[in-house]
Parts: sequence; C-alpha cells; structure tokens
Amino acid sequence: AQSVTQLDSHVSVSEGTPVLLRCNYSSSYSPSLFWYVQHPNKGLQLLLKYTSAATLVKGINGFEAEFKKSETSFHLTKPSAHMSDAAEYFCVVILYNQGGKLIFGQGTELSVKP
Amino acid sequence: DAGITQSPRHKVTETGTPVTLRCHQTENHRYMYWYRQDPGHGLRLIHYSYGVKDTDKGEVSDGYSVSRSKTEDFLLTLESATSSQTSVYFCAISVWTGDTFRNTGELFFGEGSRLTVL
Repeated sequence: AQSVTQLDSHVSVSEGTPVLLRCNYSSSYSPSLFWYVQHPNKGLQLLLKYTSAATLVKGINGFEAEFKKSETSFHLTKPSAHMSDAAEYFCVVILYNQGGKLIFGQGTELSVKP
Repeated sequence: DAGITQSPRHKVTETGTPVTLRCHQTENHRYMYWYRQDPGHGLRLIHYSYGVKDTDKGEVSDGYSVSRSKTEDFLLTLESATSSQTSVYFCAISVWTGDTFRNTGELFFGEGSRLTVL
C-alpha cells in the first residue's frame, strides 16, 4: 500500500538556519509526491510537487525537495529559515490507481525562533 | 484562490444533534472533497464527489453522509453528532488536466470549519 511517513512531529530552528523536514514514502510504483503547508487557522497550500521529472523540485518561498528513490525519501529543505515559515507541513502521496486520492502524512510542525 | 468558501466556520453542538457543513465553489470544478484534520493524523478523507450526484466514500466515512445536487455546493452531514466527530473539517477541490483527465494532485482548500461536539 502507498503511504508516507513524516519522521518528526515537531522541528524547531533558529531564524537564518537551515530547515530539514523529513518524509519517507512507501509505494509499489513510482509515486507522485507533494508538500503542503498550513499556516495557523488556514487551509493547506501546495508548496511543491514531484511527478517523475527532475528529482530536485523547487517550490514557493525558497523551499525545495529531493526525490531519492534509493532511500524512498522526499525531504523538504530550505537554506535559511524565516519567521514566516512557522507552520505545519504535510508530505502527501497521490494514489493514481484509486481515482487520484491523496494520502497525507501526519504533519510536521515547524517552529522558528528569533 | 479557487473561490472556496465553507460555512459555518465555527460551530458548537451537542451529542445527538444533526449538523450540516457547506462547501461552496465558484469555479465549476468537478471534483470536491471533505477532509477532517485531527492532531497526529494529518488530513483524512471523509467523502468525495466527482460530479453532481456522484459521490464516494473515503477512509473515514462512517457517521457522515454527503450530497451534491449542483456543481457548486458539496454538503457534509453528520446525522447524529458524536464527540469523536469534534474536528476541523476542510473542503477542497482538485485540479485535473484537461487532455489526459489526470489528477494533478493539486488541491485547493477552504479555510476550514471547526466543529465541537459536547
């Protein structure tokens, strides 16, 4: 079965330091993967997506993620955290064999300290 | 902005009462979804619709029903609310490519409806 696991429920960084949010996936075929961000009291917003083209995917607000098939990982990174990056982040896989349903990871809450 | 509005945004109700949440979209999207969000569970799909009067169950559909009598509205009903249904509910629409009719996986979300069942 296809699924995603976010390895950290909470990550705390200082402003200006790098961000790493970890996601591992399980899939019997080459998956399409996504990162969504949710700011407090808001709906989710697409950050970036991987759909079997370039393995390094760039998203909005300086985030990027690298698809590594050998490690079954799709970690989200940003070189320098900003206070506005504080939010919850979700790794998501799409099940094309089930009508395009999305399966969400449990979420990682990112805190950014001044 | 995909023109999605949810109502009500906040509701407090008592166990055993019926509750209906409404999702309204203005851009004629075919696919609409209802998710619930709970700490430690991410978002879980309750029901989805792929057209007027066409709906299907998600992974946590027990205790919920939906209706879609017109393209722009997708209603989620809790026939008899329970405390376990206290949650934040999100409506979403998905973007499909026109040529291959393939779900791009891009969802646009409403701002959520916070339901508390006492």
